[in-house]
Amino acid sequence: NAGVTQTPKFQVLKTGQSMTLQCAQDMNHEYMSWYRQDPGMGLRLIHYSVGAGITDQGEVPNGYNVSRSTTEDFPLRLLSAAPSQTSVYFCASSLTTGRSSYNSPLHFGNGTRLTVT
Amino acid sequence: AQTVTQSQPEMSVQEAETVTLSCTYDTSENNYYLFWYKQPPSRQMILVIRQEAYKQQNATENRFSVNFQKAAKSFSLKISDSQLGDTAMYFCAFMKPGSQGNLIFGKGTKLSVKP
Repeated sequence: NAGVTQTPKFQVLKTGQSMTLQCAQDMNHEYMSWYRQDPGMGLRLIHYSVGAGITDQGEVPNGYNVSRSTTEDFPLRLLSAAPSQTSVYFCASSLTTGRSSYNSPLHFGNGTRLTVT
Repeated sequence: AQTVTQSQPEMSVQEAETVTLSCTYDTSENNYYLFWYKQPPSRQMILVIRQEAYKQQNATENRFSVNFQKAAKSFSLKISDSQLGDTAMYFCAFMKPGSQGNLIFGKGTKLSVKP
């Protein structure tokens, strides 16, 4: 198993450009999510999905879109990048959702460092 | 809304000594789950330890243990016999049942273990 794979590892964008951060997992996990990590802010939830075709917003969804057409993939789209979106982005997955998530801890990818100039 | 507070932005400890990282949280839920994650310089997020709120016994994983005080809404992490490899950011996180697995993280404590 490769676990949770994020690509790219690093990316530099200009303001206004668009891009997609890729996330794939090969563990047949139901739950997938995107967090952003900023200095002094911890990790904050952007969007999440509890299964193919189902997505929902987290704490900081503005400026980001997601879709979940397959169980394996959960891409994060930036439609028009802004300097405020400079951050490290983590994708995470777990086998189950809800109460049983406790027994299925999050598996994190290695992150994507995004810089928007 | 739930919040998680880590009041120590940075801490340091000598190798082989014991250090305690603080975490408090605010919630009106009676049952919930608490976690400590470690993030070394490699940026990888690693689950260290977890606790269910309805379990009074404090969780322990090798050199890592927690002091869970439900009434005080406190969840501190104790690292015994600190090792150089423990140098990392440590995040406290909260999850309530029915939240689909979403975590609320504190801002983190940067721990440096000195030789």
